[in-house]
Amino acid sequence: QQPVQSPQAVILREGEDAVINCSSSKALYSVHWYRQKHGEAPVFLMILLKGGEQKGHEKISASFNEKKQQSSLYLTASQLSYSGTYFCGTEPTGNQFYFGTGTSLTVIP
Amino acid sequence: DAGITQSPRYKITETGRQVTLMCHQTWSHSYMFWYRQDLGHGLRLIYYSAAADITDKGEVPDGYVVSRSKTENFPLTLESATRSQTSVYFCASSVQRDTSPLHFGNGTRLTVT
Repeated sequence: QQPVQSPQAVILREGEDAVINCSSSKALYSVHWYRQKHGEAPVFLMILLKGGEQKGHEKISASFNEKKQQSSLYLTASQLSYSGTYFCGTEPTGNQFYFGTGTSLTVIP
Repeated sequence: DAGITQSPRYKITETGRQVTLMCHQTWSHSYMFWYRQDLGHGLRLIYYSAAADITDKGEVPDGYVVSRSKTENFPLTLESATRSQTSVYFCASSVQRDTSPLHFGNGTRLTVT
């Protein structure tokens, strides 16, 4: 039930771009994205609903392809503050909400 | 302050003891969730609740018990703690399923010795 994310980890220099992918084996109605900094709770970034609408949050955007049961998170011109672990979240059945395996993102100067 | 609070923040207990982790939210959100977070496993769902008196199992419910007699509280009890239950536990709430964000508490770091 847990979505699979790729890559597991990525290191970027400030200003570089990154893409994080999330893939589910179940049909999805929506996908959530969260960021968690070390020692803190996950923080909500955005929700994407069926329809493939791309959402944006400053320089972070995402897309959702419900046919392929996949979502991608795009981070452009990365900043040091983007460092953390990114999780996608899905609800394939009932009220159970599952998080992906996580992607560790490190931005270096 | 409004929000979702967990207590305690840190807890050390011995194998075999019963431990209860508390979660309280002030938003009157219908949905509440308990997750555990371990290195290499991300966030795994233990139990969830769609409303007061409605609870159900998640991925890893064994060894845990929950209750929800009031909308705002969702305690998690480890009936007989084991070392494998050493983890960081997060409680979360949301207004609606699927289309509303999850709001997380600050977590409880539990160590079972």
